[in-house]
Amino acid sequence: GAVVSQHPSWVICKSGTSVKIECRSLDFQATTMFWYRQFPKQSLMLMATSNEGSKATYEQGVEKDKFLINHASLTLSTLTVTSAHPEDSSFYICSASLGQGQETQYFGPGTRLLVL
Amino acid sequence: AQSVTQLDSQVPVFEEAPVELRCNYSSSVSVYLFWYVQYPNQGLQLLLKYLSGSTLVKGINGFEAEFNKSQTSFHLRKPSVHISDTAEYFCAVSDLWGAQKLVFGQGTRLTINP
Repeated sequence: GAVVSQHPSWVICKSGTSVKIECRSLDFQATTMFWYRQFPKQSLMLMATSNEGSKATYEQGVEKDKFLINHASLTLSTLTVTSAHPEDSSFYICSASLGQGQETQYFGPGTRLLVL
Repeated sequence: AQSVTQLDSQVPVFEEAPVELRCNYSSSVSVYLFWYVQYPNQGLQLLLKYLSGSTLVKGINGFEAEFNKSQTSFHLRKPSVHISDTAEYFCAVSDLWGAQKLVFGQGTRLTINP
């Protein structure tokens, strides 16, 4: 149980285009989802926390207009990288939890984004 | 605010040898503690977690960790490693209340040599 999927697993795009990444909880309802970014050989950095039906909470230094997060249902959250640039190339990982009081996060397999 | 320090960025070990991956944390409040493993080009898999109770926690794949409150440590151990244990290991903390945000350490690359 507690499986989280991400789609796509790999994406290559041209500079200036937008890319949407989906995160789905397959066998549970995720009240809260988290989006992380991981640069090569580095740790995960939390970008934002999203709760179903409300606006995402972004970490300091993360541009909310560039990284649009939508958590429209209890099983789906999307991250859209708008007007992507080469410096946005990274490994994006989502996680999901059952919400307040549920301490364990279940991670997706990640999406590797390469912006040319 | 919390912080996590993994004292070793790389740990090479021979197969069937024991291993300890060190993790220290800093927090002004009580925390939950986690160890995650990341295989190449994959997401994170939960190895084990400490929430409360017994300070010795057993996880998957033969790993265990011990919570030491006085030393603010949560070291991960395995008595005999296998080639398949080669991966990146992350220690993480979250506070008991609020948004359950995870703060990760820098990671330790465990390499098992035959």
